[in-house]
Formats: sequence, structure tokens, C-alpha cells
Amino acid sequence: GAVVSQHPSWVICKSGTSVKIECRSLDFQATTMFWYRQFPKQSLMLMATSNEGSKATYEQGVEKDKFLINHASLTLSTLTVTSAHPEDSSFYICSARDIPGRPPDTQYFGPGTRLTVL
Amino acid sequence: AQSVAQPEDQVNVAEGNPLTVKCTYSVSGNPYLFWYVQYPNRGLQFLLKYITGDNLVKGSYGFEAEFNKSQTSFHLKKPSALVSDSALYFCAVRDRTGTYKYIFGTGTRLKVLA
Repeated sequence: GAVVSQHPSWVICKSGTSVKIECRSLDFQATTMFWYRQFPKQSLMLMATSNEGSKATYEQGVEKDKFLINHASLTLSTLTVTSAHPEDSSFYICSARDIPGRPPDTQYFGPGTRLTVL
Repeated sequence: AQSVAQPEDQVNVAEGNPLTVKCTYSVSGNPYLFWYVQYPNRGLQFLLKYITGDNLVKGSYGFEAEFNKSQTSFHLKKPSALVSDSALYFCAVRDRTGTYKYIFGTGTRLKVLA
């Protein structure tokens, strides 16, 4: 149980285009999802907290207009990188927090999406 | 400011030997503590967590961690390392104020030598 999927697993795009990454909780409902960015050989940097049915909360320094987050249902959150540039190339990982009832306060992570912007 | 420290970038251990990956934290109050493992080009896999109770927590794949409040540490341990344990390990802490956010350490690369 507690499986989180991401799609696509990797994507290559041209500079200036937009890319959408999906994060799904497959066997549980997630009121809260998180989006992280990981640079090579570095830790995870939290970008934003996504709450179902409401606006995402962005961390300081993260451009909300560039990284659009939508959490339209209890099992799906999307991250859209708008007008992508090479510096946006990174490994993007989502996680989902289960609705209380399961062992609390555990985030379950997706497998990640490798974005390369040419 | 809240923080998590993993003082070792890399830990090398021979297969069959015990391993320890260190983690210390600085968080107000009583935190929730977690260990995750990451294999190349993959997301993080949950290993174990400390919420309350017994200071020794047992997790997946034979790993365990000991919560030490006085030293504000949560070191990950395994009695006998396997080559397949080679991966990147992250310690994380979540405070109890309701934001649900995790603060991650910088990660420790474990290399188990055959």
C-alpha cells in the first residue's frame, strides 16, 4: 500500500515550452501533496505544499507563476513548469501525505521525474 | 531555525559488518523523525520513523534507528550490511506544529564493499 506514481518518468523539452508532471496516489487519498526539486548529489528542496481544493503554498524563493501546482482531487496533483529554461532541468519528486487513519505523518514519495530542458 | 545534519557525505563499510549513518537535528519541541533511502534515479523509499515511545525503532530491510533526545540524534543502524544496501540515505524531521513539512538532511551515500 501507499504507492505514489509520477508521470512522465523523464521528459526532454525545448526551452520556452511548458511541461506538466503528474503525481498520483494510487491506493490512498492524499489531502496534502508536496513537490520537491533535487539537484545532482544534493538533498531535496521543498518547492511547495499542495492541498486538495485550495491554492498551493510555495516556499520562499520559488516562483509560483513559473511552477504552477494544481491539486484537483484527492489522488492527483500536477506541477506545470511554464516557459521552461535549461536552469529548470532537475529531478522533480512529489510526495503524498495520507489522510489521518493510517500511520500518521509519513510522506510517501513518487519515483521522480527527470526534466531536461534543451 | 530548524535543521537536520548528516555529518558524513559518504560511509564505506565492508559487507557483513555493522553500519551506522549519523543524523542530528535541531528542532523545537519533540519532532517526528524519519529515515528514507534513495536508489539512483528513483524517489525516496520510507525506511522507518520515530513518533513516540520506544527509543529504538525497527524498520524495513533490517534497519533500525535509535532516538537519543539528550544528544538530539537519530542514527540509522544495521547489524550486518549488504552490498544491496548501497544507496543514498536521508534523515528528515517534521515538527509538530501542523505544517506537515519535512526538513531533510543533505544525505549520506552508503557504499557497502564486497
